[in-house]
Amino acid sequence: AQRVTQPEKLLSVFKGAPVELKCNYSYSGSPELFWYVQYSRQRLQLLLRHISRESIKGFTADLNKGETSFHLKKPFAQEEDSARYYCAPTNPDRGFKTIFGAGTRLFVKA
Amino acid sequence: NAGVTQTPKFQVLKTGQSMTLQCAQDMNHEYMSWYRQDPGMGLRLIHYSVGAGITDQGEVPNGYNVSRSTTEDFPLRLLSAAPSQTSVYFCASRTGTGLNTGELFFGEGSRLTVL
Repeated sequence: AQRVTQPEKLLSVFKGAPVELKCNYSYSGSPELFWYVQYSRQRLQLLLRHISRESIKGFTADLNKGETSFHLKKPFAQEEDSARYYCAPTNPDRGFKTIFGAGTRLFVKA
Repeated sequence: NAGVTQTPKFQVLKTGQSMTLQCAQDMNHEYMSWYRQDPGMGLRLIHYSVGAGITDQGEVPNGYNVSRSTTEDFPLRLLSAAPSQTSVYFCASRTGTGLNTGELFFGEGSRLTVL
């Protein structure tokens, strides 16, 4: 069965500290991997996708196929990064449906 | 460009009542989906569609029906509401259903309370 695990429900760091949001997935095949972010009072939106290899707002995500992980990292957290983050693999079967992890609430303290 | 539009934004129902959450997108996206968001559970996929006339079940389909008669619209029906269906519902769409699929575009959400 497809499974996405984000082990931390809440992550609290100080401004300027490094942050890593973990994501592990259990899928057959090679899913396409995304991170989405939900800021307070805003719609869910794409943060980054693996295939584009972009760095968005200082965040990067490295795919480790051996560990089936896609952790999100930022070297220096900012207060405006406080939000809920979702890891979202897209399954390469019929329809390419997207399953979300439970999400991690990141709180960056001043 | 409106993107993904959901109505209503808020709704209170009594147990056993029925209702339909509307979702429309103006981006000519093939793929549309419904999620529910509950505390500690993240987003769970209810139903999805890869094109007009085609729908399929997600992770938590029980108690919900969908149809896709046009590319633009993907309504979600609750036939007999239960308190367990109290949640925030999100509609999302994207282009492409094959390799190199695009990003999901989300609606603003519909907050449903079932008493």
